[in-house]
Amino acid sequence: QSLLTQPPSVSAAPGQKVTISCSGSTSRFANNYVSWYQLLPGAAPKLLIYENNKRPSGIPDRFSGSKSGTSATLDITGLQTGDEADYYCGVWHNNLTVLYAFGPGTKVTVL
Amino acid sequence: EAQLGESGGGLVQPGGSLRLSCAASGFNFNDFQMNWVRLAPGKGLEWVSYISGGSASIYYADSVKGRFTISRDNAKNALYLQMNNLRGEDTALYYCAREYMDGFDIWGQGTTVTVSS
Repeated sequence: QSLLTQPPSVSAAPGQKVTISCSGSTSRFANNYVSWYQLLPGAAPKLLIYENNKRPSGIPDRFSGSKSGTSATLDITGLQTGDEADYYCGVWHNNLTVLYAFGPGTKVTVL
Repeated sequence: EAQLGESGGGLVQPGGSLRLSCAASGFNFNDFQMNWVRLAPGKGLEWVSYISGGSASIYYADSVKGRFTISRDNAKNALYLQMNNLRGEDTALYYCAREYMDGFDIWGQGTTVTVSS
């Protein structure tokens, strides 16, 4: 069972916006930065957001992240068919059992 | 351009062993902490193991502790994962990933490990 919670799926039409939530129940989530990853079929995971709301070079500003307390969100605006993928949040959990925790993943479907 | 490339996966019987390798290029390898992450069929990403730049700090997920060993050779720009006593639940696509700014910014394409009799 994941330490983090994400909705199994979200969907929207092209051009619309989707929001993916990620929540954690421990102080480690509240005190550490959240990252977001995109996993396209057949491709390596891609870092979309780090340190809660920063984008690596090359990631379009249609992807944005935020965090407050024990909850984080990834927004995707101007949804495109190429955005159809699984999205994972991740956070350093820093204990002996799980050093880094991924959320269970959210499938984004473009209608 | 920073790149990672995994190799060494394959089909192995339960109880068997495999050694995965990850070749790094395009960046100063010994400056970065490295990790192994896996993706099992029908499941989500799972962090497996961590090693610091100088190998002083090493951590494992509970699911592999005592069976897997992470190591690195900075002179060869290489990361390794020795996997022993493999189980069916270890079947997955294994990625090496570079840590940067509290996230994993560079990933390889992955190497597939299948544990089956």
